Amino acid sequence: GNSVTQMEGPVTLSEEAFLTINCTYTATGYPSLFWYVQYPGEGLQLLLKATKADDKGSNKGFEATYRKETTSFHLEKGSVQVSDSAVYFCALSATGGASGSRLTFGEGTQLTVNP
Amino acid sequence: EPEVTQTPSHQVTQMGQEVILRCVPISNHLYFYWYRQILGQKVEFLVSFYNNEISEKSEIFDDQFSVERPDGSNFTLKIRSTKLEDSAMYFCASSVQGMLADTQYFGPGTRLTVL
Repeated sequence: GNSVTQMEGPVTLSEEAFLTINCTYTATGYPSLFWYVQYPGEGLQLLLKATKADDKGSNKGFEATYRKETTSFHLEKGSVQVSDSAVYFCALSATGGASGSRLTFGEGTQLTVNP
Repeated sequence: EPEVTQTPSHQVTQMGQEVILRCVPISNHLYFYWYRQILGQKVEFLVSFYNNEISEKSEIFDDQFSVERPDGSNFTLKIRSTKLEDSAMYFCASSVQGMLADTQYFGPGTRLTVL
């Protein structure tokens, strides 16, 4: 079946540090890949996505590249801010069409950025 | 910006009682979903719903669960006879279409506590 594995957390960084959160996946076919973010007390929000191999998703300084050869979709940001403190979820969708598309999530990684 | 809303934010119930969790999806969306997250575990897909029918359900979604769109705006999840292990955060989501690459928009969640 489909699965997503994220690096173990939590992750604690100082402001302006470089961030990498690893994500690898197992899926049949050609999934679409997503990063969602959950700020305290809020729902999951789409951060970025990529729909085919070698696509790069980007938003708010975050980037992730769909690597089919390594089945990975690692999240990166060059300089984190305190406001980036949140839980980050990697997810994939591997079915779709008339039946809708279920998301398969990773474990989530808690990021804390200290001033 | 349109958003998915969920009520209540927190529901406490006794084991064996019925609960109904409510969601208002984004108005022009056609596909609706329920996910849950047991504390410390992954976000798990429960069910997808389109055109007033369940389009896909997971193995978690047994006969104790049901979904309904009772009117043009609400989307509900009913648990007929709650068990302790149903304690979790329940997220509703909606999307315009059901394609692989479509973004699902999530509500803030309902925390269900079964005593």
